[in-house]
Amino acid sequence: QLQLQESGPGLVKPSETLSLTCTVSGGSISSSSYYWGWIRQPPGKGLEWIGSIYYSGSTYYNPSLKSRVTISVDTSKNQFSLKLSSVTAADTAVYYCARREVSIRGLTPPFDYWGQGTLVTVSS
Amino acid sequence: SYVLTQPPSVSVAPGKTARITCGGNNIGSKSVHWYQQKPGQAPVLVIYYDSDRPSGIPERFSGSNSGNTATLTISRVEAGDEADYYCQVWDSSSDHPHWVFGGGTKLTVL
Repeated sequence: QLQLQESGPGLVKPSETLSLTCTVSGGSISSSSYYWGWIRQPPGKGLEWIGSIYYSGSTYYNPSLKSRVTISVDTSKNQFSLKLSSVTAADTAVYYCARREVSIRGLTPPFDYWGQGTLVTVSS
Repeated sequence: SYVLTQPPSVSVAPGKTARITCGGNNIGSKSVHWYQQKPGQAPVLVIYYDSDRPSGIPERFSGSNSGNTATLTISRVEAGDEADYYCQVWDSSSDHPHWVFGGGTKLTVL
């Protein structure tokens, strides 16, 4: 059974860089069949897609966050990571990592496996 | 940027049918996915590609998509269906394709 687990600091200071890692177990991040993504949810609010990465390192990001986001993959550790720079209180959220299959016949599949999420608070 | 509009809340009595809408410009030309999220939990996929159900999701959950509105229908609503529901589409219309989520709808079972 595939499992994803987010890890990283729960508290980040304003203007600093938020760093999270998603560890994948029960499956290989190097599979050519999947993309791996980050989604966040501010307290009491809705979901926001941050970005996604392919095992090859190919990335695509939410245009609204693109200037501050870097997602990378470490196939040797079966992990992928998120860095969000210059954070403010507005970046306080539960951060989820998730998996989706690659697009087939022009259809873009949903996220079918999610981690449990980790709360990151931005505060001094 | 593509916008998905959901009603903030929907209320329904047990045993009745709940319909949660997701509005977007010509959304019928896109594939819509729906997620259920209970408090303190990660979202769970309940409908994908407008109307397909993942294994393990009850047949009471169904979806449709046409014109400017996609709809998640929950028949014979149970107390356990109380949750937030989110629609999602892939917006490939811009130079920077990206995922878009609706604002979410809180389903209350009366």
